[in-house]
Amino acid sequence: KAGVTQTPRYLIKTRGQQVTLSCSPISGHRSVSWYQQTPGQGLQFLFEYFSETQRNKGNFPGRFSGRQFSNSRSEMNVSTLELGDSALYLCASSWTSDYYEQYFGPGTRLTVT
Amino acid sequence: KNEVEQSPQNLTAQEGEFITINCSYSVGISALHWLQQHPGGGIVSLFMLSSGKKKHGRLIATINIQEKHSSLHITASHPRDSAVYICAVRNTETSGSRLTFGEGTQLTVNP
Repeated sequence: KAGVTQTPRYLIKTRGQQVTLSCSPISGHRSVSWYQQTPGQGLQFLFEYFSETQRNKGNFPGRFSGRQFSNSRSEMNVSTLELGDSALYLCASSWTSDYYEQYFGPGTRLTVT
Repeated sequence: KNEVEQSPQNLTAQEGEFITINCSYSVGISALHWLQQHPGGGIVSLFMLSSGKKKHGRLIATINIQEKHSSLHITASHPRDSAVYICAVRNTETSGSRLTFGEGTQLTVNP
């Protein structure tokens, strides 16, 4: 069974631009969570989607948004990029939303210049 | 104070040594995860537990719900165990898969 895939793996953007990251969960998994990892703040929860609905949202500004499609693939979007958005963005999928192990993708490393 | 605290932050060991990493949390939880992150970023889920003890190969994870404490043990450590180990909890007050993470423990095992 293929693992969680994320595209692109690396991305360089300029301040003010917007970016879209993609996550394809393990086949059959319906929950996708997104996390941001930075050296200063560590790993932080961004949001979770389950059956195309946002179930949870972390403490991030409205510039961070996401969606999930009917095939469970998910995208996250960051508008008006700031230097502080430079981070590793990880997604994780699980069978359902509760009490199941999460499987992480390799991450997308975003650099904002 | 962070909801999830790990110790130590850094750990250096010699090959073959027994290693313990500790995690304390301050909230009610439905599950606790131990994760491993290698250089390059990829995260692997090692254990998910809500009570007792789990073992996988040389890795053992325990949790004491009453004391709000979990430990990850590595027996007969090997240089390939060098990685960052992260404790994460699922808070009972939030629904879904939302995890809160500790700061991680950087483990280096020397040959």
